[in-house]
Amino acid sequence: DQQVKQNSPSLSVQEGRISILNCDYTNSMFDYFLWYKKYPAEGPTFLISISSIKDKNEDGRFTVFLNKSAKHLSLHIVPSQPGDSAVYFCAAMGPGNTGKLIFGQGTTLQVKP
Amino acid sequence: EPEVTQTPSHQVTQMGQEVILRCVPISNHLYFYWYRQILGQKVEFLVSFYNNEISEKSEIFDDQFSVERPDGSNFTLKIRSTKLEDSAMYFCASTRQGVRETQYFGPGTRLLVL
Repeated sequence: DQQVKQNSPSLSVQEGRISILNCDYTNSMFDYFLWYKKYPAEGPTFLISISSIKDKNEDGRFTVFLNKSAKHLSLHIVPSQPGDSAVYFCAAMGPGNTGKLIFGQGTTLQVKP
Repeated sequence: EPEVTQTPSHQVTQMGQEVILRCVPISNHLYFYWYRQILGQKVEFLVSFYNNEISEKSEIFDDQFSVERPDGSNFTLKIRSTKLEDSAMYFCASTRQGVRETQYFGPGTRLLVL
């Protein structure tokens, strides 16, 4: 099941610079997208979400962009901080009323001081 | 800040044994979910639960799996006869009033089947 893909397993950026994490999906019925951050031995922590009726959502240092025609979303973190180092998961939800989330494989972000 | 809790944090069991994984969702939440993550793989949906009924279950969630909300606070996942391939991290999640809300995840239970 490759409906949600994060093609970059890892990303390394310098502190203070921008981190851009990418996510692609194949199912055009997905209409709600979320980004989660995960540290080892912990559960996923919600970061930011976006509905398919929007193309951008911003929350502090985090911005998510959605390009429906390309079936692509990205998470921008500006400025990146060492504490942002974690695994980032993109997740998508379809129009059904069950709340099922389909996750990408995750991207490990390392922010170097 | 309210959070989802899960017990135990780690469980080791023999193949064929039954295990029960416990979750206490956030107190005013109404929708509940189980996910699992096999080491090195994606987080996978298992089941969603609302109003004492399963809303959706994945192909993974076969007859060996069951969920229950035995009282007003706990939400459990039972695996009747564990298999080696059930070894994974199991996460419980909940949302407050609807499915199009943030799912808050617990810290997980690491299950190891020997």
